[in-house]
Amino acid sequence: AQSVTQLDSQVPVFEEAPVELRCNYSSSVSVYLFWYVQYPNQGLQLLLKYLSGSTLVKGINGFEAEFNKSQTSFHLRKPSVHISDTAEYFCAVTPGVHSGGGADGLTFGKGTHLIIQP
Amino acid sequence: DTEVTQTPKHLVMGMTNKKSLKCEQHMGHRAMYWYKQKAKKPPELMFVYSYEKLSINESVPSRFSPECPNSSLLNLHLHALQPEDSALYLCASSAGQGRNTIYFGEGSWLTVV
Repeated sequence: AQSVTQLDSQVPVFEEAPVELRCNYSSSVSVYLFWYVQYPNQGLQLLLKYLSGSTLVKGINGFEAEFNKSQTSFHLRKPSVHISDTAEYFCAVTPGVHSGGGADGLTFGKGTHLIIQP
Repeated sequence: DTEVTQTPKHLVMGMTNKKSLKCEQHMGHRAMYWYKQKAKKPPELMFVYSYEKLSINESVPSRFSPECPNSSLLNLHLHALQPEDSALYLCASSAGQGRNTIYFGEGSWLTVV
């Protein structure tokens, strides 16, 4: 089984400032890692993913995340945020293919509400 | 833009009604999912279909009945729901079999009165 911890339920940031949203996971098998964004009254949009290879992954809207296996973390960063980045951000994991993962679904963290202040 | 389409976007139903939520994807994906999301909570997995067969049922009450008529379509039949079933219902799909990037639709907002 996997679990995901997003320590910050809410992160207020001034516009054009950098931001980091933290995500830690726990799993007895290898995992794939994802960040999703949910704008108000909308579905989930994939921001970026880590499946294998380079531990620094770049996503849409200027976001990036770094996979750190030793710290079991996958923190999301953006160097300069905009008002339009106000949303709920979810970190999620699913079992990796070499662990027998097929269509297993995602285990989500509780989410971090990013609030951009003008 | 999402390539997972859900209808209707909003649904209000009484506790004695029978209704259905529909989901369609044209990405050639072979796994499809239903998630339930309550306000200010993460999505919770309900059902997974893999190659049109139900592979995961997360102990969902029988008043929710999934159906996968073909590899592109996924339905969720609703009957005798309770007010606490009011939520956003999200459909998702993935290529399946280890290619586990999951793509979500915009969701169907369900209100049970």
